[in-house]
Amino acid sequence: GQQLNQSPQSMFIQEGEDVSMNCTSSSIFNTWLWYKQDPGEGPVLLIALYKAGELTSNGRLTAQFGITRKDSFLNISASIPSDVGIYFCAGQARSSGTYKYIFGTGTRLKVLA
Amino acid sequence: NAGVTQTPKFQVLKTGQSMTLQCAQDMNHNSMYWYRQDPGMGLRLIYYSASEGTTDKGEVPNGYNVSRLNKREFSLRLESAAPSQTSVYFCASSEGAHQPQHFGDGTRLSIL
Repeated sequence: GQQLNQSPQSMFIQEGEDVSMNCTSSSIFNTWLWYKQDPGEGPVLLIALYKAGELTSNGRLTAQFGITRKDSFLNISASIPSDVGIYFCAGQARSSGTYKYIFGTGTRLKVLA
Repeated sequence: NAGVTQTPKFQVLKTGQSMTLQCAQDMNHNSMYWYRQDPGMGLRLIYYSASEGTTDKGEVPNGYNVSRLNKREFSLRLESAAPSQTSVYFCASSEGAHQPQHFGDGTRLSIL
């Protein structure tokens, strides 16, 4: 089945640093989503991408839909302690006439004050 | 705004017991989903309902059943719980099948 490889699996960074993470797939996707999950809560949608090459920002977050349609990237600028959490990517491709999302295994971000 | 509401938040069951997890959304979304989340793994789709009156199997449907009660509510039932079903269960909804999904806060289920 389809798989998403998300990297890095975890990272420690200093407050104020920029963060980069990515997702790659063996399949072409039509949509890429990025979510953040805090402990004890459900994933919250951060950014949605719909076109190859698209670059979209949400505050200090910027995500890009890879040109090959097999990857996506998320950058966080000037990290702050509340950026701590798990970041998930999700890709959507048509399967048997319906659209299903495939989720990555997450990047766990820890910010050192 | 409540968004997607899941009940209960926590539950402990014994092997063989049955249980229904409830989910309701107030966003007038057409599509609803049930996922499970296990350590080190991404969210895996159990069942989904593209629209009221329809349900389809996802990646890991064995041991589960679902009911789309109306447009707002989508329940997940474990008929005979097994330890392998210990997980965190998330319900999600979206405006349409190809729109971004919005998640509830999850039900943490332990089966002894």
